[in-house]
Amino acid sequence: AQTVTQSQPEMSVQEAETVTLSCTYDTSENNYYLFWYKQPPSRQMILVIRQEAYKQQNATENRFSVNFQKAAKSFSLKISDSQLGDTAMYFCAPGNTPLVFGKGTRLSVIA
Amino acid sequence: KAGVTQTPRYLIKTRGQQVTLSCSPISGHRSVSWYQQTPGQGLQFLFEYFSETQRNKGNFPGRFSGRQFSNSRSEMNVSTLELGDSALYLCASSLRETSTDTQYFGPGTRLTVL
Repeated sequence: AQTVTQSQPEMSVQEAETVTLSCTYDTSENNYYLFWYKQPPSRQMILVIRQEAYKQQNATENRFSVNFQKAAKSFSLKISDSQLGDTAMYFCAPGNTPLVFGKGTRLSVIA
Repeated sequence: KAGVTQTPRYLIKTRGQQVTLSCSPISGHRSVSWYQQTPGQGLQFLFEYFSETQRNKGNFPGRFSGRQFSNSRSEMNVSTLELGDSALYLCASSLRETSTDTQYFGPGTRLTVL
């Protein structure tokens, strides 16, 4: 069975600073995607970024980027220039449908 | 394109009752997956439907069931509700042309069982 570990239950960061959320996983699949979703207080799950496992280049989406280490099965999310609106739970979900999520990291951005 | 919609958004039921939740996927999406989110267990997969067929099922009792209609809309049903069924139920849709398709989530239905 696939396992996903997010080792940081809570984190905080000053506005405009950079923060990195970690995620490690175990999977037997060869071709898969990896996803980061955010869940703000509204509880709507919003796709932040996705990475294709067979691509060596790390994905970037505006202020969000990933550091994907396939051999180490590590998939971290870096948020640059943090904004108050980034305050949310962040879930890592590596693999294919059906998704298996980590327990999440609660990120607070402080003014 | 309109996003995934779920109805109702909030629901209060009592133990022993049954409940039906509805999910309308993004236009063109043929796959609908359901997840349960609780503080203790986190996000857990319930089931996935594709073209009116259940494709995957999570580890939940038979009280949890679902179906998908020809227009891809999906419903899930929980019978004989228990207190532990109180949760946020999230629906996600995808094209599902491959197993790597991205899932897009609805706003969820908050179920409270008293």
